[in-house]
Amino acid sequence: AQSVTQPDIHITVSEGASLELRCNYSYGATPYLFWYVQSPGQGLQLLLKYFSGDTLVQGIKGFEAEFKRSQSSFNLRKPSVHWSDAAEYFCAVGGSGYSTLTFGKGTMLLVSP
Amino acid sequence: DTGVSQDPRHKITKRGQNVTFRCDPISEHNRLYWYRQTLGQGPEFLTYFQNEAQLEKSRLLSDRFSAERPKGSFSTLEIQRTEQGDSAMYLCASSPTLVVVDTQYFGPGTRLTVL
Repeated sequence: AQSVTQPDIHITVSEGASLELRCNYSYGATPYLFWYVQSPGQGLQLLLKYFSGDTLVQGIKGFEAEFKRSQSSFNLRKPSVHWSDAAEYFCAVGGSGYSTLTFGKGTMLLVSP
Repeated sequence: DTGVSQDPRHKITKRGQNVTFRCDPISEHNRLYWYRQTLGQGPEFLTYFQNEAQLEKSRLLSDRFSAERPKGSFSTLEIQRTEQGDSAMYLCASSPTLVVVDTQYFGPGTRLTVL
């Protein structure tokens, strides 16, 4: 079975500082990996995805993520956080044989002035 | 492309009542998914359709839950005899292709509160 662990429930970052949100997955073959963002009371918006190829993927809003097979990780990064980035971030995994996605429990990002 | 829409956005009901939610996927998207999200958790898969066929159901989908996608376009999710444990955000998503895994685009969700 596939699973996702997001070890940090909450993270607080100062505006302008860099950000890294951790995601570890468990999956037997090559995973399909996603990061979504959810603002309060809203649905999920796709930030970026990894299916194959270059292990460093670029997404919207200045986010990027790096797939590291040896560490079973897909961490999300942003060099300079803006107050509008405050939201909840979800990592998800899918793969061959699983048409659905398995999500982590999310990391709530708080941005301090 | 107007995105995935869901109706209603909020629903408050009394325990024991039946409720029905509607999801309109992005036009011509073949797959439609239902997820449930409770407070402090990520979305959990409930069921999905490929066109009008319901291909998979989660163990979370008890007998009180039923979903349809009659013409391969919009979908409905009905919960019968609601319980307080059904209180959650119900999310719908759609994806455009028939490959095994593709990007899922989510709607704004329907928040259900069972009193």
